[in-house]
Amino acid sequence: GAVVSQHPSRVICKSGTSVKIECRSLDFQATTMFWYRQFPKQSLMLMATSNEGSKATYEQGVEKDKFLINHASLTLSTLTVTSAHPEDSSFYICSAVGTSGGLAVHTQYFGPGTRLTVL
Amino acid sequence: AQKVTQAQTEISVVEKEDVTLDCVYETRDTTYYLFWYKQPPSGELVFLIRRNSFDEQNEISGRYSWNFQKSTSSFNFTITASQVVDSAVYFCALSRTGGYQKVTFGTGTKLQVIP
Repeated sequence: GAVVSQHPSRVICKSGTSVKIECRSLDFQATTMFWYRQFPKQSLMLMATSNEGSKATYEQGVEKDKFLINHASLTLSTLTVTSAHPEDSSFYICSAVGTSGGLAVHTQYFGPGTRLTVL
Repeated sequence: AQKVTQAQTEISVVEKEDVTLDCVYETRDTTYYLFWYKQPPSGELVFLIRRNSFDEQNEISGRYSWNFQKSTSSFNFTITASQVVDSAVYFCALSRTGGYQKVTFGTGTKLQVIP
């Protein structure tokens, strides 16, 4: 299967600061990346869909000015949590689909996740 | 709208027992994909299987098997001879076909395999 990495795996920050999370596809070209948020013992909640080179599409209820997404290349998407507050503490997971060797990769492959704690 | 229901919140089995995780879905699409993912305590989601809606053949992969019943909109997952390493949360998911579609996840079933 395809490999997706995320960095950092864990971050603790003070309230009011901004945090950037990187999502990279290591062995395929990620045309589309998805960002999810997961609260403890709950399912994944899709936050936004980002296509390479274009603006992200946010799900209803997700603040686009708070969760900035950039997908500038076929291997990298970033999620920036701006002016983070304790309620933003969560597990953030990215996934990617795209092409590998000219073949479409429809299955979403997930990164290992980033655990954000805002103090 | 698409919906995935995993009615079993938590299941505990003793090692070597067989266990089936249920998944029922709702969609108005005539073609769609179904998935199962495993999320161990480390948090990373591990892809297990993708099934296209037109392929109703059951699949077996080692100790894992999947039973797709389109007539009842179910896509159940069975682990045979469970092992402690199978302990995880398992998510069933559904997406449309065509291009790169977002995935709708079920609420997950936490499986605990007791040694």
